[in-house]
Amino acid sequence: SAVISQKPSRDICQRGTSLTIQCQVDSQVTMMFWYRQQPGQSLTLIATANQGSEATYESGFVIDKFPISRPNLTFSTLTVSNMSPEDSSIYLCSVPRGTSGPVYNEQFFGPGTRLTVL
Amino acid sequence: AQKVTQAQTEISVVEKEDVTLDCVYETRDTTYYLFWYKQPPSGELVFLIRRNSFDEQNEISGRYSWNFQKSTSSFNFTITASQVVDSAVYFCALSEASGTYKYIFGTGTRLKVLA
Repeated sequence: SAVISQKPSRDICQRGTSLTIQCQVDSQVTMMFWYRQQPGQSLTLIATANQGSEATYESGFVIDKFPISRPNLTFSTLTVSNMSPEDSSIYLCSVPRGTSGPVYNEQFFGPGTRLTVL
Repeated sequence: AQKVTQAQTEISVVEKEDVTLDCVYETRDTTYYLFWYKQPPSGELVFLIRRNSFDEQNEISGRYSWNFQKSTSSFNFTITASQVVDSAVYFCALSEASGTYKYIFGTGTRLKVLA
């Protein structure tokens, strides 16, 4: 199983600032996913990050607000820009298990970054 | 459109009781995958099971069992003889093979097991 770490684990930020969240995986993966979990809510996919190409954003999420970098096959960052209290959430990255077949659909999740915006 | 519905927002049971968490899904794909994840108070998501659309065999793993019924588009999860450590939020999720492997999550069911 993949080992995923995220930094920071939690942060408290001021309105209007930006925070960059890092996701590090201990093996090379083609696809990485970024999810948001608002307080007491389910997980919503923000974007899919493929190495060497632009991230693919889901409806309701835009690159200007959530720029993503994917410089190599083991690392990605998600920036939450110009934050407001509504951005207070847990942000999680995930990677598929394996490289093909049905198991590729299983995802390992990082421990999450708990963000509070004041 | 894909959708996952977990109608039970919160369930409370007394330890040793059996409890079933419901999951109903919608998809147009013929090949898809269903999952259950556990999110304990610490926040991490723990993978419990994956089910392929072409395999309707039910599965049992210790105190956990899953009932997959394509006819009713349901993938229910039963915990037998519940324990306090089972207290968590449980998410059902759907992934379509024709998609980009992204998950559609249900809204989750918070299970509280009382001692």
